[in-house]
Amino acid sequence: AQKVTQAQTEISVVEKEDVTLDCVYETRDTTYYLFWYKQPPSGELVFLIRRNSFDEQNEISGRYSWNFQKSTSSFNFTITASQVVDSAVYFCALIGTASKLTFGTGTRLQVTL
Amino acid sequence: GAVVSQHPSWVICKSGTSVKIECRSLDFQATTMFWYRQFPKQSLMLMATSNEGSKATYEQGVEKDKFLINHASLTLSTLTVTSAHPEDSSFYICSASTGVGANVLTFGAGSRLTVL
Repeated sequence: AQKVTQAQTEISVVEKEDVTLDCVYETRDTTYYLFWYKQPPSGELVFLIRRNSFDEQNEISGRYSWNFQKSTSSFNFTITASQVVDSAVYFCALIGTASKLTFGTGTRLQVTL
Repeated sequence: GAVVSQHPSWVICKSGTSVKIECRSLDFQATTMFWYRQFPKQSLMLMATSNEGSKATYEQGVEKDKFLINHASLTLSTLTVTSAHPEDSSFYICSASTGVGANVLTFGAGSRLTVL
């Protein structure tokens, strides 16, 4: 069985602050993929990143960065200099050999002025 | 990039009626489509996996007679909520995969169902 845990239910920050969203996963598969999705109030899921289990390189894309550590089974997501438009629910997800995408419970990020 | 269109985006129906939601892959062929359900302020829960030309595989606890899934072509999967009741009110999202090894799912924009 696989499981994704996002311990932070809600986070509130002031614009321009940095914020890190935590994600811890469990899987018995040796090959798997990790994802982050953004769900704005409109409801659609916006794909942010995919990382396979053999690539532990951290990644930076603009204000977004991801820290993948297999040793702690974590795949954390940091937003630098947050903006109001970053307000959304963020989901971490995992897919393994069973090809079923398992979502975490999500972290609601509120960025205020 | 790959686009998945979901229709309708929102629907209101009376209790006891059936509602059909369509999920189309617009610019690619999707051998597998997935249907998720999301209650307010909760996560997405996989309901079923739909493979073109074969019966859908339902997750434990999902009533297959209640949620009929048809994947008749490589670009279309439909979810029919039969005899809908207020507790079926939810946000339904589909996603499509291009096949084995792709491991990248494209999601539709979701369909919000309200049963009165």
